[in-house]
Amino acid sequence: GENVEQHPSTLSVQEGDSAVIKCTYSDSASNYFPWYKQELGKRPQLIIDIRSNVGEKKDQRIAVTLNKTAKHFSLHITETQPEDSAVYFCAARDGSTLGRLYFGRGTQLTVWP
Amino acid sequence: DTGVSQDPRHKITKRGQNVTFRCDPISEHNRLYWYRQTLGQGPEFLTYFQNEAQLEKSRLLSDRFSAERPKGSFSTLEIQRTEQGDSAMYLCASSRDRLEQYFGPGTRLTVT
Repeated sequence: GENVEQHPSTLSVQEGDSAVIKCTYSDSASNYFPWYKQELGKRPQLIIDIRSNVGEKKDQRIAVTLNKTAKHFSLHITETQPEDSAVYFCAARDGSTLGRLYFGRGTQLTVWP
Repeated sequence: DTGVSQDPRHKITKRGQNVTFRCDPISEHNRLYWYRQTLGQGPEFLTYFQNEAQLEKSRLLSDRFSAERPKGSFSTLEIQRTEQGDSAMYLCASSRDRLEQYFGPGTRLTVT
């Protein structure tokens, strides 16, 4: 099955700086890559996703890039704010399964005011 | 609230007891997924329904686990003879076809 690696496990930035979280996947057939934000004690919340026919997608301060050749994708958050502090998970869905997502281990992002 | 809901939110049980969790998906969603999340880890897939049919099961889903979605709407996940290793957050998600998956708030299970 698919294997998703996520780095770093923790990330601390100053308010206003940018944050980048990187993930790699193993199955070249994977075709869908969502990112979830999970605040303490709350549900994972879908914040952005990208499909394999697109190289980059942006939504206000959040962007995701995908490099299919290298099998990695990244989350970029610009102008970080304290409310961006949370655990972020990347995930991949491979083409052979009916819908299951394979998740990375998460990145704890802390934004200091 | 029109999102995915789960009940109960917390469950404490003694080892060996049976527990059942319920998930109500977003109403127009035909796909329903169960995941398990332990501390410091991402969600791990357990099983998946399309309408009432259970189409995929993870190797994580031992014989003590059973899931149903009898009318293609809500789903239940039952764990028989609970073990301490079953302690985790059990998350439900739903989607319309292969579109985005939206998660519920989870049921936190503690086995003492």
